[in-house]
Amino acid sequence: AQKVTQAQTEISVVEKEDVTLDCVYETRDTTYYLFWYKQPPSGELVFLIRRNSFDEQNEISGRYSWNFQKSTSSFNFTITASQVVDSAVYFCALIRGETSGSRLTFGEGTQLTVNP
Amino acid sequence: KAGVTQTPRYLIKTRGQQVTLSCSPISGHRSVSWYQQTPGQGLQFLFEYFSETQRNKGNFPGRFSGRQFSNSRSEMNVSTLELGDSALYLCASGHPTGNRYEQYFGPGTRLTVT
Repeated sequence: AQKVTQAQTEISVVEKEDVTLDCVYETRDTTYYLFWYKQPPSGELVFLIRRNSFDEQNEISGRYSWNFQKSTSSFNFTITASQVVDSAVYFCALIRGETSGSRLTFGEGTQLTVNP
Repeated sequence: KAGVTQTPRYLIKTRGQQVTLSCSPISGHRSVSWYQQTPGQGLQFLFEYFSETQRNKGNFPGRFSGRQFSNSRSEMNVSTLELGDSALYLCASGHPTGNRYEQYFGPGTRLTVT
């Protein structure tokens, strides 16, 4: 069975600090997809990034960057120069292989609070 | 392009009643998945529909059911409501062809069972 672990339940930082959200996953599949979603207080899950298991290239999008390391089964998310608007719950998730449809297995989520 | 819409946004029901939630996916998306979010259990997968067929089902009792229509709109039904069914129910639409597994979520329906 697959599992996603986000060990950090809550993180609090001051605006402009950099912050890294950790994600560790377990799966026996060789093909899988990893995701990060943001859930602001409104409740809607906002898609941030998808990575497939064959692409370990790190990605940067503005202030966001992701570090995917298969050797440690980790897919960490860094926000550079955090802003108050980044305050939300962030979820890491996984989809197995090619045949499991779109079933997402989520981590427990990390509540990020960015203080002014 | 319009996003995923869910109706109603809020619902209050009494134990023992049944409820139907609706989800309209993004135009052109054929996959609809449902998730339950509670403080204790987090985000849990309920079921997924693709082209009117249930493709995946999570570990929920038979009181939870769903269906998808030919226009890809989906409904989920919970019968004989229990207090523990109080949750945010999220719907996601996607078009998982090739390497695309991006799913887009609606705002959710917050169900309160009293």
